[in-house]
Amino acid sequence: GAVVSQHPSRVICKSGTSVKIECRSLDFQATTMFWYRQFPKQSLMLMATSNEGSKATYEQGVEKDKFLINHASLTLSTLTVTSAHPEDSSFYICSARDKSRGTVLNEQFFGPGTRLTVL
Amino acid sequence: QKEVEQNSGPLSVPEGAIASLNCTYSDRVSQSFFWYRQYSGKSPELIMSIYSNGDKEDGRFTAQLNKASQYVSLLIRDSQPSDSATYLCAVTVGNAGKSTFGDGTTLTVKP
Repeated sequence: GAVVSQHPSRVICKSGTSVKIECRSLDFQATTMFWYRQFPKQSLMLMATSNEGSKATYEQGVEKDKFLINHASLTLSTLTVTSAHPEDSSFYICSARDKSRGTVLNEQFFGPGTRLTVL
Repeated sequence: QKEVEQNSGPLSVPEGAIASLNCTYSDRVSQSFFWYRQYSGKSPELIMSIYSNGDKEDGRFTAQLNKASQYVSLLIRDSQPSDSATYLCAVTVGNAGKSTFGDGTTLTVKP
């Protein structure tokens, strides 16, 4: 149980294009999904918190117009990197919380990540 | 002071030994504590969660929580080379809040 998928796993794009990354909870409904970015040999950096049916909450310093998040259902959240540039190249990882486990047992289950390379 | 601090590492232990990973946190109202394992190039994987003071054991892993000292640790018994990874400590304040992650401790288990 508690499987989270991400698609694509790897993407290479040209500078200036937009890239959409999907995050799906496969066997549970997710109350909340989180989007992280991780640069090589660095820790996870939370970008935004996404709740189904409401606007995402972005962390300080993260441009919401550049990183568009849509949480359309209890099993799907998408992150769109708009007008990507080489400095956006990173490992993007989503995680989800299982609605059935309530608000106390609030583990996060991570997707496998998407490696974005912007040329 | 960072909200969640871990041993800077790297930590190296011989195969079969006990690996001890430590984490301290600054927010006294923290409620949930997690240990994640992250292999190089992969995403984090939840290995332990702990919510109340004391020890929690799961196979070769034991998590220890001391809220008075604001300290949580992870012990790995009979360490195996496959345990070589970066271990992330995460702390959550409140029921539905975001988790704050430490920078991780890299563990190497030498055969």
